[in-house]
Amino acid sequence: EAQVTQNPRYLITVTGKKLTVTCSQNMNHEYMSWYRQDPGLGLRQIYYSMNVEVTDKGDVPEGYKVSRKEKRNFPLILESPSPNQTSLYFCASSPGQYQETQYFGPGTRLLVL
Amino acid sequence: GQQLNQSPQSMFIQEGEDVSMNCTSSSIFNTWLWYKQDPGEGPVLLIALYKAGELTSNGRLTAQFGITRKDSFLNISASIPSDVGIYFCAGRKKTSYDKVIFGPGTSLSVIP
Repeated sequence: EAQVTQNPRYLITVTGKKLTVTCSQNMNHEYMSWYRQDPGLGLRQIYYSMNVEVTDKGDVPEGYKVSRKEKRNFPLILESPSPNQTSLYFCASSPGQYQETQYFGPGTRLLVL
Repeated sequence: GQQLNQSPQSMFIQEGEDVSMNCTSSSIFNTWLWYKQDPGEGPVLLIALYKAGELTSNGRLTAQFGITRKDSFLNISASIPSDVGIYFCAGRKKTSYDKVIFGPGTSLSVIP
């Protein structure tokens, strides 16, 4: 089944404790992206990647890192999480940057205390 | 600030009623997209629009690309309980076509 998977689905952590949210897609998509969803603000793009070893900042990249060593994986790294990074995070992929059909993962709900 | 505005923020309607929602911006858009997010899941693309004035349907859903290119509309006819969710408009601005911008969403509740 074609899908985007994220792990973990739920995470509670404390300020400053490094964490990684994994994202994997099995559709051989070139384009992958991370969003955060906050009430009243919709989805805001954090980082995106057009292909392996190619990543770029989205609208809200501060406090986040990503890597794209393999085509299928696009982990999101929070080196020193802070409470304002408490949010619902979505990974998405599509065949190309200008393909409209982005496939979203199920989401990761993060709480930073 | 918010680049896209959606109205209304939330709606409570009776099953069987028609629904209308809109999305507006102060900027010109070349592409308009409508997504639906079911509770506990990621958004799913419903309709994509590429030309001013374009009207596109997907089952009971119809969306229109506004002629000013600064707005878009989504209508749902004869609503059913599974229409519940958050509807996001999104689009690509003429001046930054490489990025998809999302609106804040319209939350729809359907009362059986």
